Amino acid sequence: DTGVSQDPRHKITKRGQNVTFRCDPISEHNRLYWYRQTLGQGPEFLTYFQNEAQLEKSRLLSDRFSAERPKGSFSTLEIQRTEQGDSAMYLCASRGLGERGETQYFGPGTRLLVL
Amino acid sequence: AQKVTQAQTEISVVEKEDVTLDCVYETRDTTYYLFWYKQPPSGELVFLIRRNSFDEQNEISGRYSWNFQKSTSSFNFTITASQVVDSAVYFCALSEFSSGSARQLTFGSGTQLTVLP
Repeated sequence: DTGVSQDPRHKITKRGQNVTFRCDPISEHNRLYWYRQTLGQGPEFLTYFQNEAQLEKSRLLSDRFSAERPKGSFSTLEIQRTEQGDSAMYLCASRGLGERGETQYFGPGTRLLVL
Repeated sequence: AQKVTQAQTEISVVEKEDVTLDCVYETRDTTYYLFWYKQPPSGELVFLIRRNSFDEQNEISGRYSWNFQKSTSSFNFTITASQVVDSAVYFCALSEFSSGSARQLTFGSGTQLTVLP
């Protein structure tokens, strides 16, 4: 089984620039999540996709954030006009169906640093 | 609202000692799942275990064991004969059935475990 992959692993950008991250879930998983993790904290939920439909969005997901999953496979998370407070680890997770589908499997994350 | 508390921010033990990581949760749901994840320095969250709210049986997997007690809303994790490779941040997490199909995870703030040689 190929796990969840994320690209890039690291991103350094200047305040005000736009950035885009990609997540490829486990191939048979139809559910996909984005989380954000700041230093010393646990991950916090951002948004959820079931197939291509974005069904849940957290209040943390400001207007500058947008996520897509156009064909129900990979997903992208874009941050527009980045701010220093956006510096964090962005984690993607996926899960499948049935009892085993209750478990979310995480990718390696994208570390974002906004200067 | 759901909440997960990991009161131990950092724990340091010497190799071969046993160590218990505490997790206390709050939920109004009767149906929920509890999880433990390990996050080594590389950053990837590694799934360790899942328990549902109807299964209070303790579980043992090698040097790892978990104690789930609904009466005290706790889901504690014990590592027996700790090893240096166990050094990581450990997260406890909760998902509720009332959150619909999303079942997003609510995480605690994590416990940094350092095992010294």
